[in-house]
Amino acid sequence: QVQLKESGPGLVQPSQTLSLTCTVSGFSLTSYNVHWVRQPPGKGLEWMGRMRYNGDTSYNSALKSRLSISRDTSKNQVFLKMNSLQTDDTGTYYCTRVNWSFDYWGQGVMVTVSS
Amino acid sequence: DIQMTQSPSFLSASVGDRVTINCKASQNINKYLDWYQQKHGEAPKLLIYNTNNLQTGIPSRFSGSGSGTDYTLTISSLQPEDVATYFCLQHSSRYTFGAGTKLELK
Repeated sequence: QVQLKESGPGLVQPSQTLSLTCTVSGFSLTSYNVHWVRQPPGKGLEWMGRMRYNGDTSYNSALKSRLSISRDTSKNQVFLKMNSLQTDDTGTYYCTRVNWSFDYWGQGVMVTVSS
Repeated sequence: DIQMTQSPSFLSASVGDRVTINCKASQNINKYLDWYQQKHGEAPKLLIYNTNNLQTGIPSRFSGSGSGTDYTLTISSLQPEDVATYFCLQHSSRYTFGAGTKLELK
């Protein structure tokens, strides 16, 4: 069945770079788009960016200067890297598959930005 | 960028009530509007896609409507398991979520 699972460090220091991995199963990264969405504690959802099935990427304009999304199709993994982290980057980070809409989501990974 | 205004931000209703949640886009989004349900501590779950299409496995008490800039999620008869926060999402131009509606039982 379709599954997505995020992994990465739970704690990142301010000004450092966040690196997250989304490992997928049950579908091919060359057939579906995978997006990243984040949620600060107790707040709403923010679309961050996407990896298209053909390898193209697209980013939220507010994050574009700090964000990079890449993939390794042989490992069924999509990567997120965001630099210059600040405390307001604290939150839960989700990867999600798109089939018309965000139909499958990972469980999310909590990231805290703190010294 | 398209902005989404969701209302109300908080809603208290009784079991069996008809509940409506609204989202207004800052421009025409051509029915590219989805609804998601998020229970505490869980990832969001897709309920309705492209305004009025019920996702597989979602109870028929959930429905969506709208066009242009104005969209509505309706729960025809509220059940205890519907307690959650609901978000709209436009995907006409990039992606923008509404701020959410927290639904509680009265």
